[in-house]
Amino acid sequence: GAGVSQSPSNKVTEKGKDVELRCDPISGHTALYWYRQSLGQGLEFLIYFQGNSAPDKSGLPSDRFSAERTGGSVSTLTIQRTQQEDSAVYLCASSLPGLAGTIFGPGTRLTVL
Amino acid sequence: RKEVEQDPGPFNVPEGATVAFNCTYSNSASQSFFWYRQDCRKEPKLLMSVYSSGNEDGRFTAQLNRASQYISLLIRDSKLSDSATYLCVVTGSGGYQKVTFGTGTKLQVIP
Repeated sequence: GAGVSQSPSNKVTEKGKDVELRCDPISGHTALYWYRQSLGQGLEFLIYFQGNSAPDKSGLPSDRFSAERTGGSVSTLTIQRTQQEDSAVYLCASSLPGLAGTIFGPGTRLTVL
Repeated sequence: RKEVEQDPGPFNVPEGATVAFNCTYSNSASQSFFWYRQDCRKEPKLLMSVYSSGNEDGRFTAQLNRASQYISLLIRDSKLSDSATYLCVVTGSGGYQKVTFGTGTKLQVIP
């Protein structure tokens, strides 16, 4: 497709369960970002992948959060032992380094009961 | 100090007003600057790039002041449809060129 896609669009889970969120970036975009946005709040940076470089994980809030990017394309964000405070919209974005047009996906709305 | 700082607002302005947002950044080596717009419950989308010489797109004017490390966005003749959150975006230098988003300034245009 022409844009960044994310799946699922909505995810409801029980506290303590693990979840996986998927991001398909725009083909050819070497940079990929994960952000989290709680209701009414700003974007919270989680992790940044750039080509074959080591990812910038400085934004991950705890060791329950991890992300992978396979083959420089698809990325998966995994949250283990989910907590209610993990409830938020998780946004993925991709771009070519430094250029205008960091494109966001529609997000995955995660609700932890 | 945050890499990119914005006044969160909200800015409540009447239709037709002129409103300006400022954003400061901490890395003097930052290379590229943008404004994004985020509507409620939507993902952020690129509004405009910001150039040192300043640039204008209709009612929107963006300015960059490298010496003071801030960028601004001016909206003239505000419309109800301008109500949104405006995000300041800064790109780092060198090969890494990580994009950093501010937390946004909320604008509410009132009839």
